[in-house]
Order: sequence, then structure tokens, then C-alpha cells
Amino acid sequence: KAGVTQTPRYLIKTRGQQVTLSCSPISGHRSVSWYQQTPGQGLQFLFEYFSETQRNKGNFPGRFSGRQFSNSRSEMNVSTLELGDSALYLCASSLADPYEQYFGPGTRLTVT
Amino acid sequence: SQQGEEDPQALSIQEGENATMNCSYKTSINNLQWYRQNSGRGLVHLILIRSNEREKHSGRLRVTLDTSKKSSSLLITASRAADTASYFCATDPFYNQGGKLIFGQGTELSVKP
Repeated sequence: KAGVTQTPRYLIKTRGQQVTLSCSPISGHRSVSWYQQTPGQGLQFLFEYFSETQRNKGNFPGRFSGRQFSNSRSEMNVSTLELGDSALYLCASSLADPYEQYFGPGTRLTVT
Repeated sequence: SQQGEEDPQALSIQEGENATMNCSYKTSINNLQWYRQNSGRGLVHLILIRSNEREKHSGRLRVTLDTSKKSSSLLITASRAADTASYFCATDPFYNQGGKLIFGQGTELSVKP
């Protein structure tokens, strides 16, 4: 089975721009979660989608949004980028709760 | 705030030695999981222990869970240079509405050949 894939792997954006990141889960996995990883804050949960519905959301501003398509692929969008949004964005898929999550390689976003 | 706190933050050992990492958390959980991350890449799931389990083994890994103390430990026996990575504990909180893991800050393990 192919693993979780994320595109793009690296991205450089300017403050004020917006960005869309994509995640393709493992075939058959219906849950997709997104995390932000920074040296200062560590790994923080952004949101989770299951069967196209957002079931859970972390403590991030409304500039961070996401969606899931009928094939379980997911996208997250960050609008009006700030320097502090520079991070590794990880998505993870799982069959269902309370199973383990399978992570993609991440998208490294740099905001200048 | 992070639910998991890990100790130590960094650990350096020689190949062949055992490595022990500890994790404490704050609220009731469904399960606790351990993940490994190599140098800013994706996380790899190592082991999951449910709240009603006390100990679990997987190859060279041994995990314990003490729900009364809200703590867990990960033991890697006979460490190898390839075990060099950051290790994170993650809790699936009891109130979880879905898909959310709460990660600790991690332990950086360095295994010297």
C-alpha cells in the first residue's frame, strides 16, 4: 500500500499571500488529521476530517482552514500568511479512532 | 498547551546500551502512542498502548503505562545508531471528538557507534 503523500514538499511564500497544501491518505483511510510542527511550539493539532466532515479543530485562527474530498484527499489552506506560520505541516491518516496515525513526509513552509 | 511532557529532553548513549524515555500527561486518555521522527521528516508510529493495558512489547521496544500516575515510559533495548531520532509520546484524550493526538515536546536520542 502506498503511504501518505503530501504536496508540495517545500514552499516559500511571502507575508500576506495564501497557500494550499495537499494530502493523499492511505487507501481506505477515511480520517485525515493535520498538524503544525515548529521548534517553539512542537506538534500542534490543526484539524481532523472524516468522511468530508470536520470533526475536530485545534486552537488556530480562522486563517487556517481545510477540507476533505469524497476520495478522502484533504487540503489545508492558510490565508494572509504571517512569518510565524513558517513550519513543517504534517498530515496523518487513520482507519478510525482509536487507531494509530500514519504520517506523510510533511510540507516545509517558509514565509518571508 | 501540550498535554505530554517528556523527560529527558535529550539523551546520548553508546550503541548496545538501553534508552529509557518518560512521558507524563494531564487528563484521562483512551490510549497513548509513541512515535519516532528522523530529522524533521514525517513521524513513524512505534507502538500504541490502551488505557486498560499496563505493558506492551514490540521487538526491542517496551512501553509501560501507569494511568494512576498519568505517565508512560518507552524502553529501547540494545540501541543501534539507526535509533538516533526524536521520540514523541502522543495521547488520545478521553474527550476526543476525533483524530486529535496531543504530542509531548519529544526526547532527542543520540546513539553513538
